[in-house]
Amino acid sequence: GEDVEQSLFLSVREGDSSVINCTYTDSSSTYLYWYKQEPGAGLQLLTYIFSNMDMKQDQRLTVLLNKKDKHLSLRIADTQTGDSAIYFCAESTYSGAGSYQLTFGKGTKLSVIP
Amino acid sequence: DSGVTQTPKHLITATGQRVTLRCSPRSGDLSVYWYQQSLDQGLQFLIQYYNGEERAKGNILERFSAQQFPDLHSELNLSSLELGDSALYFCASSVGQSHEQYFGPGTRLTVT
Repeated sequence: GEDVEQSLFLSVREGDSSVINCTYTDSSSTYLYWYKQEPGAGLQLLTYIFSNMDMKQDQRLTVLLNKKDKHLSLRIADTQTGDSAIYFCAESTYSGAGSYQLTFGKGTKLSVIP
Repeated sequence: DSGVTQTPKHLITATGQRVTLRCSPRSGDLSVYWYQQSLDQGLQFLIQYYNGEERAKGNILERFSAQQFPDLHSELNLSSLELGDSALYFCASSVGQSHEQYFGPGTRLTVT
C-alpha cells in the first residue's frame, strides 16, 4: 500500500534555508504536494509537482523530486518566523472515475528561531 | 482563506451520540472530500463526492456516512460515537475532479 514518510521536526534560524524531506512508496503517484498547516488552521496547498518533473520553483519555494529514489524535498529560502508551521508531504494516485486520492505523511513541524 | 467553509468549528459530545458536520465547497467546485486528522493516524482520506455522487471511499467506518446535496454542500454524519472518534475533520474541494484540493479550516470533534 501507499506510505509517505517525513521527519517529525526541523529547527532553523531566521534567514537560513530550510529543507524538508519526504519519501514515498507508490511508484504510480501522479502528483506530489506540499501543504502547510498553521496552528488552528486548515491545510494550505503550497505547491505541487507532476511526477515527470525533477524540479519546480515558486518564489522562495523549490521542490525537488527524485523519482528513482522516491524522494521529495521542499526548500524554503530565507526562512521567516511566519514559516513556522507543520508541513505535510502528500502523493496522489488516480483511483479511477476521475478521482485522485491523496495520501499524506505525518507532517514535519518547522520551528524558526529568530 | 481557501473559500471552503466548515461548521461548526468545535463540537463536544458524548459517547454513543450522533453528530453532523457541514461543509460548503469553494464557489464552482463540484468535488468534496472528507478527511480525518488524529494524532495517532495522521491525516486519512474518508470519502469523496462529485456533483452529488459518491466517487471514492477511503478508510471510512460503517458508522460514518456522507452526502452531497444539489447545492453542492456536503454533510458528514458520525454515529454511535466512540472516544477514538475525537479528531479534526477536514473538508476539501476541487474544481471538477482536479487533483488540486483546497481545505477548509476543519471541525474539531471531542467525544467525552
